[in-house]
Amino acid sequence: GAGVSQTPSNKVTEKGKYVELRCDPISGHTALYWYRQSLGQGPEFLIYFQGTGAADDSGLPNDRFFAVRPEGSVSTLKIQRTERGDSAVYLCASSLGTGVYNEQFFGPGTRLTVL
Amino acid sequence: AQTVTQSQPEMSVQEAETVTLSCTYDTSENNYYLFWYKQPPSRQMILVIRQEAYKQQNATENRFSVNFQKAAKSFSLKISDSQLGDTAMYFCAFIHNAGNMLTFGGGTRLMVKP
Repeated sequence: GAGVSQTPSNKVTEKGKYVELRCDPISGHTALYWYRQSLGQGPEFLIYFQGTGAADDSGLPNDRFFAVRPEGSVSTLKIQRTERGDSAVYLCASSLGTGVYNEQFFGPGTRLTVL
Repeated sequence: AQTVTQSQPEMSVQEAETVTLSCTYDTSENNYYLFWYKQPPSRQMILVIRQEAYKQQNATENRFSVNFQKAAKSFSLKISDSQLGDTAMYFCAFIHNAGNMLTFGGGTRLMVKP
């Protein structure tokens, strides 16, 4: 079966623009996570979904960031009025369920560059 | 809040030799899991090994093993018989039993030399 996929692989945008990053989880996985990995650092948690609802969005840095998962499968991370500091690799992961017993499987990430 | 620290930004090892990557963490939790992830240039995080904090026995997966010292809050990864394909970034990560999100360290870049 296919793993977690993310599109686009790379995205270059200009400061102030709006971007959408897409994540397709493994089929049947109910939990979905977004992490952000800045250059030279480890990933940092942004938000996770259980089904369609955002169970924890405490990692979103500010209200320019928003994520949805309307049908409990594909998720979209939306960033408004992008800033140069938003440049990073955005990683998505999915798991069969939530909790420590369910391994998180990661996608290849989307590298966002804000000029 | 949990913190995970990897004090070695870069390491190198000769092919077929053994290398140990260090990780320390800080938490007030008693029940948690620790992980080592590998991130090759493709960027995809791959789980290498996991350790449950309540288990005293160190986890082993083929050439990969850990040295888990709970009292010292230390969790090092030993790679035996290093192979060129082991070249990658390695991240130590923590999750507590009631949590859902991983907390990662800053990573160690490992280069295996032929």
